[in-house]
Formats: sequence, structure tokens, C-alpha cells
Amino acid sequence: QQKVQQSPESLTVSEGAMASLNCTFSDGTSDNFRWYRQHSGKGLEVLVSIFSDGEKEEGRFTAHLNRASLHVSLHIREPQPSDSAVYLCAMHQGGSAKLIFGEGTKLTVSS
Amino acid sequence: EAAVTQSPRNKVTVTGGNVTLSCRQTNSHNYMYWYRQDTGHGLRLIHYSYGAGNLQIGDVPDGYKATRTTQEDFFLLLELASPSQTSLYFCASSDPTEVFFGKGTRLTVV
Repeated sequence: QQKVQQSPESLTVSEGAMASLNCTFSDGTSDNFRWYRQHSGKGLEVLVSIFSDGEKEEGRFTAHLNRASLHVSLHIREPQPSDSAVYLCAMHQGGSAKLIFGEGTKLTVSS
Repeated sequence: EAAVTQSPRNKVTVTGGNVTLSCRQTNSHNYMYWYRQDTGHGLRLIHYSYGAGNLQIGDVPDGYKATRTTQEDFFLLLELASPSQTSLYFCASSDPTEVFFGKGTRLTVV
């Protein structure tokens, strides 16, 4: 069964400093990956979808995918206090429709 | 406009009660999903489906049934609700390139 692990569990950064979040998965058959943001008590907001190895940028959010190392990361440039939220990594399991999530990283951006 | 609509948005029921959560998508997607979200657990997959009449077991299916009646409609059924099923439930639809989520249903079992 495919597993998705996120690290760190929580992260505090200063406003304007780069924030880096990580996601590892248990095999390389996944078709695509997404990063979501969820503010407290709210729904899911998709930040970046990435389908092939390399880098994908959406505004201040950049995802890096390396299937060989079973790793996808999210980098947030110039984070602001409004970016304080839980960030979730999700992937479609290869060969099936199963969409599975990591347990999330809680990001706090201090001003 | 792509949409996933969940109803109700909030529900309180008693232990042993019968609850149905509804989800409708207007995206013409084949795949639909039901998740629960609890603090510290991200989103955990309960059931999913790749078309009308199809049902696949997710990772936390115990105590839940689901039915996909049409391409658009996917229902989650709790026939004997328990306090452990108090949670925030999300529905989603997808195709290979996009995923859309509903706004969630907050269920409380007292």
C-alpha cells in the first residue's frame, strides 16, 4: 500500500524567509502530485500540481519532484503571516484512481 | 464552472443514528472520493468510486457504506453512528489531471 509521509510535522519561519516542506512516498508509480493549503477550519486550496520530474512554479510556491528519490517538496518564497496553515501533500497512486494524502505540515509564519 | 457540492454542511446526530452525507459533482469526472479529516491525521480515504455503480474500499472503511448512484452523485452512509465518527468529511472528484474538493461536512455524533 502506497504511503505518503510529510516532514516536518510543524515549522515556524520568519516573515520573508524561505519555507521548505517535504513529502516522501513509498514507490515511484504515482502519476501526479499536488500540494494543498488548509487554513484552520477551512477547505482545501490547491497550490501546485506537478506531473513530471523537475520544478513547477505557481506564484510564490514552487514544487520539486524527483521520482527516483521518491520525494516531492514545496518551497514558499517570502512567506507571510497569512500563509500560516496546514500544508498537505497528495498523490494519485499509480495504476489506480486512489488519491492519498500525507498527514500534513503545520506552518507558522511569524511577523 | 467546476464544482463539488456537499450536503449538509453541518450535522449532529445521536449515537446509533442513521446518517447520509451527499456529494454531487458537475465536472463530468469519473472518480469520486470520500475522506475524513481528524486533527493530526491529514485526510484519510474512506471509499472511492470510478463510475456509477462502482465502489472501491479505501483505507478507513469500517463503519461506513457508500453508493455511487450516478456519475454525479456519491453518498456516504453511516448506519449506526458512533462518537468516533465525529469528524470533518470531504468529498472530491477527479480525472487524471485535476481534482476538486467540496467544502466539507462537519459531523458530530453525540
